[in-house]
Amino acid sequence: NAGVMQNPRHLVRRRGQEARLRCSPMKGHSHVYWYRQLPEEGLKFMVYLQKENIIDESGMPKERFSAEFPKEGPSILRIQQVVRGDSAAYFCASSPPFPSASGLTQYFGPGTRLTVL
Amino acid sequence: KNEVEQSPQNLTAQEGEFITINCSYSVGISALHWLQQHPGGGIVSLFMLSSGKKKHGRLIATINIQEKHSSLHITASHPRDSAVYICAVRSGGSGGSNYKLTFGKGTLLTVNP
Repeated sequence: NAGVMQNPRHLVRRRGQEARLRCSPMKGHSHVYWYRQLPEEGLKFMVYLQKENIIDESGMPKERFSAEFPKEGPSILRIQQVVRGDSAAYFCASSPPFPSASGLTQYFGPGTRLTVL
Repeated sequence: KNEVEQSPQNLTAQEGEFITINCSYSVGISALHWLQQHPGGGIVSLFMLSSGKKKHGRLIATINIQEKHSSLHITASHPRDSAVYICAVRSGGSGGSNYKLTFGKGTLLTVNP
């Protein structure tokens, strides 16, 4: 059973370009979470999605950032018109459906390191 | 003040030493996680606990709910244990509402041979 997959692992963008980060959850997992790790800071929650639904996007910046988790395919975190301050590691995690004890554990992907020039 | 505080921020040890990393939190929680992150690498979940103590190999995690404090211990440390160790708390609440994790800033552990 493959773990959580993220791609690309490294992404370089120039200011003003768009960044698309992909996350494929573990098989059987229907819940996806996105976190951002800024340099010298801890991880911060961004958004929680289930298939075709955004459950909680309270951690997402109000502008330029969006996320989706379509019925088919990976979850996408999209950053439009990137700025240097968006440079960070973006981690995705997935979990099985609630309620279950295992549903409380989130399995993390390897992350995408975004560098904005 | 952060909701989750870890100490120390940096820790250097000699191979074989017993290591303790501490985590204090200020909010009500339903569970606490210890995570490991190697430099430039992904994040691995080590433990999830809501009470008492858990052990896995040379790693031991304890939690004191009344004191809002958890510790991660590594016995007989080894250079391959060098990593950032992150404490994260899951907010209190029932059912599907307790998914949100709040993270400490991490403790950078370096174990020298």
